[in-house]
Amino acid sequence: DGGITQSPKYLFRKEGQNVTLSCEQNLNHDAMYWYRQDPGQGLRLIYYSQIVNDFQKGDIAEGYSVSREKKESFPLTVTSAQKNPTAFYLCASKREGTGESYGYTFGSGTRLTVV
Amino acid sequence: KNQVEQSPQSLIILEGKNCTLQCNYTVSPFSNLRWYKQDTGRGPVSLTIMTFSENTKSNGRYTATLDADTKQSSLHITASQLSDSASYICVVPGGFGNEKLTFGTGTRLTIIP
Repeated sequence: DGGITQSPKYLFRKEGQNVTLSCEQNLNHDAMYWYRQDPGQGLRLIYYSQIVNDFQKGDIAEGYSVSREKKESFPLTVTSAQKNPTAFYLCASKREGTGESYGYTFGSGTRLTVV
Repeated sequence: KNQVEQSPQSLIILEGKNCTLQCNYTVSPFSNLRWYKQDTGRGPVSLTIMTFSENTKSNGRYTATLDADTKQSSLHITASQLSDSASYICVVPGGFGNEKLTFGTGTRLTIIP
């Protein structure tokens, strides 16, 4: 059963710590994305990768880092430089094509809380 | 600046009733518009994709409409069920090679028995 798996579902971070959120997909999609969701706001793009070993900054990349060593995996590290990391993080991948076959698949999300 | 605005921000209706959610966009150029359903604490799930040539598309009890001239879309839910309680998000890509998505803030729909 294909899909995107994000882990963990809940994550707690102490001040000054780096944490890494996992995103794995078995859909054979080339492009992968990380979004941040805050209450009352639309999803905002953190980073995206269209191909292995390549990624680009989104609108709010400061304080985050990513890697794309494998097609299936796109982990996101929230560094201590991110001053307000508490949020719901969503990973997505995109299938190329036309019509209904073309679209984005989202993971179930990771809720990160700073304690 | 590309924008997607949704209304109402929240909506509460009785089970079995119909409702309509609105989405206005200023994304240009336009290629398609998507409606997603997001359950609390979960990722968004695609309901439908509307291209600029489509006016109406149905997916079960969900019917989406698109007016590319006025840049408006609506999502109509018929005979609502408790499981319809979720946030409904309107999403518009930049279009024609610009795949940056612009997300609406969503409509929070609550169905009460």
